[in-house]
Amino acid sequence: NAGVTQTPKFQVLKTGQSMTLQCAQDMNHNSMYWYRQDPGMGLRLIYYSASEGTTDKGEVPNGYNVSRLNKREFSLRLESAAPSQTSVYFCASSESGDGGYTFGSGTRLTVV
Amino acid sequence: GENVEQHPSTLSVQEGDSAVIKCTYSDSASNYFPWYKQELGKRPQLIIDIRSNVGEKKDQRIAVTLNKTAKHFSLHITETQPEDSAVYFCAASKTGGYQKVTFGIGTKLQVIP
Repeated sequence: NAGVTQTPKFQVLKTGQSMTLQCAQDMNHNSMYWYRQDPGMGLRLIYYSASEGTTDKGEVPNGYNVSRLNKREFSLRLESAAPSQTSVYFCASSESGDGGYTFGSGTRLTVV
Repeated sequence: GENVEQHPSTLSVQEGDSAVIKCTYSDSASNYFPWYKQELGKRPQLIIDIRSNVGEKKDQRIAVTLNKTAKHFSLHITETQPEDSAVYFCAASKTGGYQKVTFGIGTKLQVIP
């Protein structure tokens, strides 16, 4: 039982490059989320998907896009990376309407 | 939207002492309040939660209290141990249909042996 799996764990990008962060959960959860974590700012919601086929913007969506590929997978894409996107990114999932989050292990992204 | 304030931002206690972290929320419709523990370099993990129809919940050395009228809730850790050292996040949300959680900025707890 893997829970929430994120790849990659570490990534260094040059400004302007693109990449996709992958997230998959095996708990049959309906809702999935992408957060970024920065020192002194806690966890901020980028995008979320309440259920398969739907996505919505969170608190800090600019510069990102998402795809809910199926019930298991929710990816985050940076089209043109900027140094301000240097952060630790966490994917999470939850059962609809109840319970807390299960987080993935995170992706540490550095944009130079 | 919901706003969650958390304090203190850092807390140092001697091993064996108690630690208290406090949070306030703004949306009176919020009804679910989880707490997460994040060890250095690890993912946040849910340690305890409370719903608005309950005033207090305990799980061994940790407890959470909720005051709906004042819109604040607190995490209490008794008999602290070095392995309790971590960053603790409070959060608030409304359940039903889907769940979107608003987090506090975190409290770094250091337990001094």
